[in-house]
Amino acid sequence: DGGITQSPKYLFRKEGQNVTLSCEQNLNHDAMYWYRQDPGQGLRLIYYSQIVNDFQKGDIAEGYSVSREKKESFPLTVTSAQKNPTAFYLCASSQTGTSVHEQFFGPGTRLTVL
Amino acid sequence: AQSVAQPEDQVNVAEGNPLTVKCTYSVSGNPYLFWYVQYPNRGLQFLLKYITGDNLVKGSYGFEAEFNKSQTSFHLKKPSALVSDSALYFCAVRDWGGPGGYQKVTFGTGTKLQVIP
Repeated sequence: DGGITQSPKYLFRKEGQNVTLSCEQNLNHDAMYWYRQDPGQGLRLIYYSQIVNDFQKGDIAEGYSVSREKKESFPLTVTSAQKNPTAFYLCASSQTGTSVHEQFFGPGTRLTVL
Repeated sequence: AQSVAQPEDQVNVAEGNPLTVKCTYSVSGNPYLFWYVQYPNRGLQFLLKYITGDNLVKGSYGFEAEFNKSQTSFHLKKPSALVSDSALYFCAVRDWGGPGGYQKVTFGTGTKLQVIP
């Protein structure tokens, strides 16, 4: 099956810890995205990557970091600098180019700060 | 700046009745519009998109959406609601922006659809 996988499904973090959320896709998509979802606020873009070894900050990048060493993988690290990390995190991917492409989403990771 | 608004936090409809979930948008150029659905504790699933052409766009699971340029709206519709349609629905608009022609997508805050048996 083609698609996007995220792990873990649930993650608990203690104050001051860094944690890394995994995102893998086998859709051969160049572009990948990380969103944060909070109740009543829709989806907010954290980081995006259009191609391997390149990524850009989204609207709420502070306290987060990413890497894009492989086309298939786009891990997100939530650092201790992120003051309110409890949220549902969604990874997505899409084709790039001049056509208008929809995004494909993973099942999400729910992060809770203890 | 682009934006999208979903004026209703929740829509209730009886099973078998037609449903409408509203969305209005604001962009500087031509809008590219999307609808996604999210079931509890899951990722978003793509339903349909409008790029150009016919104002009535047909999508997955019997859903359709009507693009209205004069009213800047893109309402999601279904002729007969099912209980299994109960979910969170997101409208999104795409704009060109950012380095390298990144396709920034702005999502609405979501509308919870409750279909009552």
